[in-house]
Amino acid sequence: EDQVTQSPEALRLQEGESSSLNCSYTVSGLRGLFWYRQDPGKGPEFLFTLYSAGEEKEKERLKATLTKKESFLHITAPKPEDSATYLCAVASGNTGKLIFGQGTTLQVKP
Amino acid sequence: DAGVTQSPTHLIKTRGQQVTLRCSPKSGHDTVSWYQQALGQGPQFIFQYYEEEERQRGNFPDRFSGHQFPNYSSELNVNALLLGDSALYLCASSIGLAGAGETQYFGPGTRLLVL
Repeated sequence: EDQVTQSPEALRLQEGESSSLNCSYTVSGLRGLFWYRQDPGKGPEFLFTLYSAGEEKEKERLKATLTKKESFLHITAPKPEDSATYLCAVASGNTGKLIFGQGTTLQVKP
Repeated sequence: DAGVTQSPTHLIKTRGQQVTLRCSPKSGHDTVSWYQQALGQGPQFIFQYYEEEERQRGNFPDRFSGHQFPNYSSELNVNALLLGDSALYLCASSIGLAGAGETQYFGPGTRLLVL
C-alpha cells in the first residue's frame, strides 16, 4: 500500500537556524513527489515537484531533494514568516490522486 | 491569472442535512480533484473529475458525490451529514487526466462544521 510519512511532526527553530524536514515514501511507481506549504485555515500552496531520484529544486530559502525512498526539504536561515505546516505528497502509478503525509509544523522564533 | 476558487468559505450544518460545495479551477485547467482534511491531518483524496466524469475515487462512502460542468467547474455534494464530516474541504485543479504527475493547485478550502 502506498504510504507517506513525514518527520518530525513539529519543529521549532530560532531565526537563522537551518534544518531539514524529512518525507519517507513507499509507492508503486512514483509519478511525482510534491511539497506544499499550508498556513492555518488555508489551502496548501504549491512549492516544488520532483520526478526522479537525484533531482533538486530551490526557491528562496527552501531546497527540495529526492532519493528513491525519501525527500528532504532543507530550510536555510529561516525567518519567522517561514512558519507554517509543510506537506509532502506523492502521485503513484496511473492514478490521479495525491497521497499526503501528515505534515511537519514549523515554528521559527525571532 | 485567477487561481482556484471555492465557495462558500465557511458553512455550518446539522446532522442529517445535505451540503453542496463549489469549485472553479485555475485558468487553463480541466481536471478537478476534491480532498478532505481533518484537523491536524494531511488531505485525503475523495475523487477526481475530468471531462465531466468521475475518474478516480478514494475510500469515501456514496454519501459523497460530485459533478463537473462543461466550463470545468465542479461541485461536491455530501448527503446525510455526520459529525465526522466536519473538516476543511479542498479543491485542486490540474491539466489533463492526471497520471503523469501533473502538479495540482489547491484552492483556499471550505470549512464545514456539522453540529
